[in-house]
Amino acid sequence: GAGVSQSPRYKVAKRGQDVALRCDPISGHVSLFWYQQALGQGPEFLTYFQNEAQLDKSGLPSDRFFAERPEGSVSTLKIQRTQQEDSAVYLCASSLGSPLEQFFGPGTRLTVL
Amino acid sequence: GDSVTQMEGPVTLSEEAFLTINCTYTATGYPSLFWYVQYPGEGLQLLLKATKADDKGSNKGFEATYRKETTSFHLEKGSVQVSDSAVYFCALSDRGAGGTSYGKLTFGQGTILTVHP
Repeated sequence: GAGVSQSPRYKVAKRGQDVALRCDPISGHVSLFWYQQALGQGPEFLTYFQNEAQLDKSGLPSDRFFAERPEGSVSTLKIQRTQQEDSAVYLCASSLGSPLEQFFGPGTRLTVL
Repeated sequence: GDSVTQMEGPVTLSEEAFLTINCTYTATGYPSLFWYVQYPGEGLQLLLKATKADDKGSNKGFEATYRKETTSFHLEKGSVQVSDSAVYFCALSDRGAGGTSYGKLTFGQGTILTVHP
């Protein structure tokens, strides 16, 4: 069966560019999470959706980061005016509900030059 | 706030050796505890979990016991295989005083395990 998919898998951006990262969760999964994983570190929570509602965005590092899930399925993480410190792997995870098991996507590796 | 501390790696073992990866945590509520594994080129996968004190999670020969008194959740395996080579992450999902949680995970920094034949 289809798991969580993310696109693109790799993204190179010049400093100052805007990027959009997409997450397709497992069909029917209500909960969706975004995490940021810096090189050699564990993932860090960014934001959480229950259906289309963004219930927690406490982990977003600045107002340059914005996430949406308008129809309660696909989610997009947008980073405006990218900086070098934004370079990381961005992971998406979904679950049937909270606090059930989260299934992770393969991640998008963002490199900001 | 919540935090997870894992033993520093990398860890290198010979096949059939005994494995321990230490994990301790700090949480304000009553956390559930997890071990996730990331095999080369693959996404994070749940390895095992425990939701309350003294629970033992187990899977694929790996075990970890939720020790509230020592705030620990050490991962063990009696005999590792080359195929166990991966990065292992300890994580927690806290529950507030009311006992509920939406599942937000707090991860440790990860431990790289390499098993040689």
